[in-house]
Amino acid sequence: QLQLQEAGPGLVKSSETLSLTCSVSSVSVSSSDYYWGWIRQPPGKGLEWIGSTYYSGNTYYNPSLKSRVTMSVDPSTNHFSLRLTSVTAADTATYYCARHIRQWLVTHYYYGLDVWGQGTTVTVSS
Amino acid sequence: SSVLTQPPSVSVAPGETARITCGGDDFGRGGVHWYQQKPGQAPVLVIYFDRDRPSGIPERFSGSSSGNAATLTISRVEAADEADYYCQVWDTAGDPHAVFGGGTQLTVL
Repeated sequence: QLQLQEAGPGLVKSSETLSLTCSVSSVSVSSSDYYWGWIRQPPGKGLEWIGSTYYSGNTYYNPSLKSRVTMSVDPSTNHFSLRLTSVTAADTATYYCARHIRQWLVTHYYYGLDVWGQGTTVTVSS
Repeated sequence: SSVLTQPPSVSVAPGETARITCGGDDFGRGGVHWYQQKPGQAPVLVIYFDRDRPSGIPERFSGSSSGNAATLTISRVEAADEADYYCQVWDTAGDPHAVFGGGTQLTVL
């Protein structure tokens, strides 16, 4: 059964870089069938999509975070990762990794998220 | 970019039907997905591409979409259904990206 598990520091200093990895079991991150995504949720607030990555290196990023985000897939460890630079208190959140499902319709693929990790809490300190 | 509007809260008595809406002006041509999130837990996909239900999700959960709105319907509501529910679409305008609704807190009275 597919499982995803986030890992990374729970505390990051303001202006530094947040780095998280997501370990994937039972499915290869190199599969051409799936994109892999990151989503976050500030305390007491709703879900915010950060971005998604594919084994080929193709990525989609949230336009509001694009300048600070890098995502990649590592087939050797079956992980994918998130880097968010220049963090501030506004980046304090629970960060989730997830697998995308997709459907082709006319001219585009459309994506949802079918399996999620349990989430990891990241606090940005000053 | 799509903006998805959900009611902040919906209340329903046990055994009744809950309907949670998700609306937008350039809506969901690629389908709407719905997630259930209970306190302290990760979201769980309950409906994908408007009306499909993942394995393990009760048949009481159903989805529909028409015009500029989608609806998640929960029939015969149970106490265990109390949770936050989020809709999500994939917006292909400009750089493709996912958009979540603000979430609806379902209270079972």
